Amino acid sequence: TAGITQAPTSQILAAGRSMTLRCTQDMRHNAMYWYRQDLGLGLRLIHYSNTAGTTGKGEVPDGYSVSRANTDDFPLTLASAVPSQTSVYFCASSDTGVTEAFFGQGTRLTVV
Amino acid sequence: GQNIDQPTEMTATEGAIVQINCTYQTSGFNGLFWYQQHAGEAPTFLSYNVLDGLEEKGRFSSFLSRSKGYSYLLLKELQMKDSASYLCAVRDSNYQLIWGAGTKLIIKP
Repeated sequence: TAGITQAPTSQILAAGRSMTLRCTQDMRHNAMYWYRQDLGLGLRLIHYSNTAGTTGKGEVPDGYSVSRANTDDFPLTLASAVPSQTSVYFCASSDTGVTEAFFGQGTRLTVV
Repeated sequence: GQNIDQPTEMTATEGAIVQINCTYQTSGFNGLFWYQQHAGEAPTFLSYNVLDGLEEKGRFSSFLSRSKGYSYLLLKELQMKDSASYLCAVRDSNYQLIWGAGTKLIIKP
């Protein structure tokens, strides 16, 4: 089934450790996004990429980095995790950034 | 700053009609989206409005007034499976999506 896949589904991570959240889409969408979703807050954009080879900062980029080496993959890296990064992370993609976004199933990350 | 406002929670009865409102203040406007999100799942696309007026899609309809910065999602013939959060999002002048915090809809039999 075509779509967008995230891994892992959930993770418990010790503070200070690094981790990469993986995201792969097979819809050939140009634009990809990383959001975090916290209770009582809307989805907040961490980083985005409008096309392979380019990335941009969103609303809450500090502590996170991304890369877009090809169209399909958009990994999110936490260099040194802190408890405030405990959240549900969603990867999304859209065609040219104009149409609706499609979401992965999410990664629930707990930093202890 | 940019802001999307929608009620935190609403309750409705199975078989009834419910309207979920969304007001927005954004730097530019390039369309408004409604998404449905069941607990523990990813958001899924429901509707898109870029021009004023009503868009109907089965039991769901979405309305937009750009001059008022206002939209609503209308759900008819409510079913228990409609219990979910409904997210309003606006695409701004930079083509980035600005999201509301979501409205949790509780359906009672």
